[in-house]
Amino acid sequence: GESVGLHLPTLSVQEGDNSIINCAYSNSASDYFIWYKQESGKGPQFIIDIRSNMDKRQGQRVTVLLNKTVKHLSLQIAATQPGDSAVYFCAETYPDDYGGSQGNLIFGKGTKLSVKP
Amino acid sequence: GAGVSQSPSNKVTEKGKDVELRCDPISGHTALYWYRQSLGQGLEFLIYFQGNSAPDKSGLPSDRFSAERTGGSVSTLTIQRTQQEDSAVYLCASSIWDRGTYEQYFGPGTRLTVT
Repeated sequence: GESVGLHLPTLSVQEGDNSIINCAYSNSASDYFIWYKQESGKGPQFIIDIRSNMDKRQGQRVTVLLNKTVKHLSLQIAATQPGDSAVYFCAETYPDDYGGSQGNLIFGKGTKLSVKP
Repeated sequence: GAGVSQSPSNKVTEKGKDVELRCDPISGHTALYWYRQSLGQGLEFLIYFQGNSAPDKSGLPSDRFSAERTGGSVSTLTIQRTQQEDSAVYLCASSIWDRGTYEQYFGPGTRLTVT
């Protein structure tokens, strides 16, 4: 079936550096993408989302980039902090038969980000 | 305000027994989702409820799995005749149904261990 995957399963960065987490998706019909952060023992926490009619969206210290041509999504974290250490998941959804989006999200396997002080 | 809560936080059961996992969504959220997360893996969609519509059960791995949502609020995920491969963290999420946004708020999960 169609799925969302990740290029790098682990990423280790120095505190203060920028982090880039990548994600490839295979469903060209997907029109909505979300990045989630999951800390150990907790449920995923929403970070930022982007619709397919955009190629960039910025939040606080985070930026999501979408390249529909190559079906690639990335999350950039500026000035990475120890509190950013977690597993990061990208997720996608695609239109339903009524022109909206499917309710359930399709998640990738996740990238573990470790921040060295 | 209160987030999504799940109970129990941990459940250890013997193979072949039935288990029930509970989810209390955020008040006012019309959509409720169940996912399963195996160790070191991503989230696997199981089932999704939206308002009074028939649930989307397309992700349930077998007929041993079922879920219901009473009164449009609390949901229970039932696994019958548990198997060792059912061991995972079961996550519940809720959201306000809006075709423009799909931010799902997750609970802390129930860690199920089948021995």
